Amino acid sequence: DTAVSQTPKYLVTQMGNDKSIKCEQNLGHDTMYWYKQDSKKFLKIMFSYNNKELIINETVPNRFSPKSPDKAHLNLHINSLELGDSAVYFCASSHTGGTEAFFGQGTRLTVV
Amino acid sequence: QQPVQSPQAVILREGEDAVINCSSSKALYSVHWYRQKHGEAPVFLMILLKGGEQKGHEKISASFNEKKQQSSLYLTASQLSYSGTYFCGTGNAGNMLTFGGGTRLMVKP
Repeated sequence: DTAVSQTPKYLVTQMGNDKSIKCEQNLGHDTMYWYKQDSKKFLKIMFSYNNKELIINETVPNRFSPKSPDKAHLNLHINSLELGDSAVYFCASSHTGGTEAFFGQGTRLTVV
Repeated sequence: QQPVQSPQAVILREGEDAVINCSSSKALYSVHWYRQKHGEAPVFLMILLKGGEQKGHEKISASFNEKKQQSSLYLTASQLSYSGTYFCGTGNAGNMLTFGGGTRLMVKP
């Protein structure tokens, strides 16, 4: 069984569009994350979210917003996509307190 | 602020040892180490908490010096399967795990 799953795996879209990436975990974790990995492989934390608190990395543009319908899901919505948004986006989850994090397989977003 | 990793890249022959360092300008609650193979997701290796405890995982071990705000990952008798990019992640009081820039490790036969 897949622990953390993301869909879609690949996403190609035009500038200006709005898109969403879905993430689901079946590990019973209460904290989920979104990371952006650019072409230089730098892993940047975007959001950390549990059922009590959303922590936002202040450098993330407000075009990006996480939406959590329940503890097992944390979707990423991106408005008005820009070329610089092209990257691999990873969802991850862990227990609260910063324990071992499990990553999804990543979504490669290409904005053209 | 992200931790700083060194070296940025290292090439080894099978059986050789390597050390990857991770340092932070902020006080650390914990240090996490992950390995990412090309085209795959990062995979957890180990976590070190305050106290300078050294942990091990097969022939990979790590230390954490909270006073110096540093951690080191030790790979002994490297195997081809060790190739990949290693990331250290530093944890604070919240749930934000911030990763360093990564160290690319290539093990050759």
